[in-house]
Amino acid sequence: AQKVTQAQTEISVVEKEDVTLDCVYETRDTTYYLFWYKQPPSGELVFLIRRNSFDEQNEISGRYSWNFQKSTSSFNFTITASQVVDSAVYFCALSGGAAGNKLTFGGGTRVLVKP
Amino acid sequence: DTGVSQDPRHKITKRGQNVTFRCDPISEHNRLYWYRQTLGQGPEFLTYFQNEAQLEKSRLLSDRFSAERPKGSFSTLEIQRTEQGDSAMYLCASRGRQGGPDTQYFGPGTRLTVL
Repeated sequence: AQKVTQAQTEISVVEKEDVTLDCVYETRDTTYYLFWYKQPPSGELVFLIRRNSFDEQNEISGRYSWNFQKSTSSFNFTITASQVVDSAVYFCALSGGAAGNKLTFGGGTRVLVKP
Repeated sequence: DTGVSQDPRHKITKRGQNVTFRCDPISEHNRLYWYRQTLGQGPEFLTYFQNEAQLEKSRLLSDRFSAERPKGSFSTLEIQRTEQGDSAMYLCASRGRQGGPDTQYFGPGTRLTVL
C-alpha cells in the first residue's frame, strides 16, 4: 500500500520569509512519481511539479524549489520569499508506475502568509 | 486548450435524494479520475476510466455510487439515496500526453452538502 505523510498541518509565516513543507512517502513500487499540488481558497487543485523516482535531481522554479531524497523517502518543497498569494493548502501526492496511476495524497499543509 | 470542467459547482440536497455530477476532461485526455475530499483531508481516489472503460474502483465507492463515461469523453458520477456522510468535495481529474504522461489535471470540484 502507498502512503504519504505531511506532518505539518499548518505553517504561519510573515511575508518574505522562506517556508519548507515536508513530505514523506511509502511505496513498494520501484518506479513511482511524486507531485505537489496547491489548493487555494477557491478549491481547485493546481499542479506544481512532478518528479520521477529515477530522477533525484533537485529543481528550482522561480521562488519554488524541491528536494527529492530517495534514501529518506522524502520530497520536500520550499517557497522562498513567501508572498500573501502563496497562502493555500499544499498537497504532496504519490502514484505508482502501474497502469492507472491513481494518486495517493497526504493530508495537506495549510500555509498562511501574513503581510 | 480549456481545462477540466465540472458541473454543478455546488449542490445542496436532502438526505435520501439522488444527485448526479458531470465532469468534462481536457480534450483528448483518455484517462479520467474521480476523487472525494472531505473537510481538512487530502483527496481520496474513487474510480478511474481509460476511455469508456472503468478500470478501477475504490472500496470507498459503495453500491450507492455509480460512475460512467459512455463515449470516452465526459463522465458522470451519481450518488443514490444520499447520506450526510456523502457531504464532500467531488473532484475530477484527467490525464494525457499534455504536460507529461503521468500528470493529472483537476477540475474545480463539485461541493455536495447533504442536509
